[in-house]
Amino acid sequence: GESVGLHLPTLSVQEGDNSIINCAYSNSASDYFIWYKQESGKGPQFIIDIRSNMDKRQGQRVTVLLNKTVKHLSLQIAATQPGDSAVYFCAENTGYSTLTFGKGTMLLVSP
Amino acid sequence: EAGVTQFPSHSVIEKGQTVTLRCDPISGHDNLYWYRRVMGKEIKFLLHFVKESKQDESGMPNNRFLAERTGGTYSTLKVQPAELEDSGVYFCASSLRRLLSGTDTQYFGPGTRLTVL
Repeated sequence: GESVGLHLPTLSVQEGDNSIINCAYSNSASDYFIWYKQESGKGPQFIIDIRSNMDKRQGQRVTVLLNKTVKHLSLQIAATQPGDSAVYFCAENTGYSTLTFGKGTMLLVSP
Repeated sequence: EAGVTQFPSHSVIEKGQTVTLRCDPISGHDNLYWYRRVMGKEIKFLLHFVKESKQDESGMPNNRFLAERTGGTYSTLKVQPAELEDSGVYFCASSLRRLLSGTDTQYFGPGTRLTVL
C-alpha cells in the first residue's frame, strides 16, 4: 500500500478516548469542506462534510467544527477505536469542484 | 454499488517509457477527477472531466500527461515519456453533482502507485 511518509503530524490516543484532529485552511473564499480518512493501500474515504454557512455538523461518532474567522477546521472522533487508525485529510472546495487537500494527520489508536 | 476502480494498482516502469492508467468512476457519475500524491507531499488536483469534456485541467504538470474520457465513462491518464519525478500515487475520484443542494461529494478510488526508475 501507499506509504504515508514519515513527516506527517501524528496523534496517538488510547482506545476509548476522544480524538481531535485540526486543520488550517488557506482560502477565505472556500465554501465547502470535507474530511477524508485514508487507510494504508486505499484511497481517501469520505467521512463528513460541512458548508461554510454552518459552524458544526455531527455524524456517527464524528463532529466537524468550522471557524471561519481563523480559517480553522477540526474533526472530533468520539470513543476512538483501533479501526480509526489512519491518515486524516481535510480538503477545501472553492466552488469549482476541485479539492485542495491539507498535509494530513496520522491517527494512531492503541488498544 | 461498485465504487471507483483503478487499474493497475501498481506500475513500475523505466524513465522514458509510457504508462497508461485507467479509472472507472461510479456508474452515473458525470464528474471525474484525477489527483496525484508524490511522496511526502499533499494530494494535488490534476484535472476534472464533466462527462467527456475537460472542465479544468489547470493541475496537469506538463504536456507529457494526457487524460481522456471518450464516451464520458471511464478515463485514462497517459504519461509519455515518464520521468523520475512522476513517481507517486495517482487517484481518481468521481462525483454526482446534486444541483439542488450544491454538494458534490467526491468518492475516491484506491489509487495507482507509479514508480519510475
